[in-house]
Amino acid sequence: SQQGEEDPQALSIQEGENATMNCSYKTSINNLQWYRQNSGRGLVHLILIRSNEREKHSGRLRVTLDTSKKSSSLLITASRAADTASYFCATDGGITGGFKTIFGAGTRLFVKA
Amino acid sequence: EAQVTQNPRYLITVTGKKLTVTCSQNMNHEYMSWYRQDPGLGLRQIYYSMNVEVTDKGDVPEGYKVSRKEKRNFPLILESPSPNQTSLYFCASSFQGSLYEQYFGPGTRLTVT
Repeated sequence: SQQGEEDPQALSIQEGENATMNCSYKTSINNLQWYRQNSGRGLVHLILIRSNEREKHSGRLRVTLDTSKKSSSLLITASRAADTASYFCATDGGITGGFKTIFGAGTRLFVKA
Repeated sequence: EAQVTQNPRYLITVTGKKLTVTCSQNMNHEYMSWYRQDPGLGLRQIYYSMNVEVTDKGDVPEGYKVSRKEKRNFPLILESPSPNQTSLYFCASSFQGSLYEQYFGPGTRLTVT
């Protein structure tokens, strides 16, 4: 069963603009992660946020987590053409799911130069 | 170089012909996992392994087998492939389960005719 669901499915912006992607999940989690995938290649880990954290930064990335709403957002500031990729959130299985990893369907980001 | 390798990268086969996709990691990770990626569905977990001789089902295990006889290797076996197993497959590993970032292999594109 899919737990993480990203919104929007696709996003097209101009270089220099900010991009925001959202992720919702259904059950309690221990952590939430964001990954990036370039065009059918392997996923690359971006950032991990634990359930007791509310916000985390890494370079131009900012991730927030709202466990009461079971949602997270990924903000990419000052986007570049090289940020064009698909972005996925992933959660652990929580209390019932053990060490499963559950990915959402992803957001496709296109940054126009 | 720390990496996850998969072989083969591309495979075209016929229905019912047993095949194995190999996965190996050189990071001494305890956790390894297999995913399939289909358009619009994101990544779905097939099987995962917490350590040698310890495996568990993900969300879509039907039609697949795995084994973990050595810490570094986690092969995916399709005993009797069917066309609905045509997909892009990824192997991943992490230090300790879905609570840590996962490192992904480059993917294996499988076509079953």
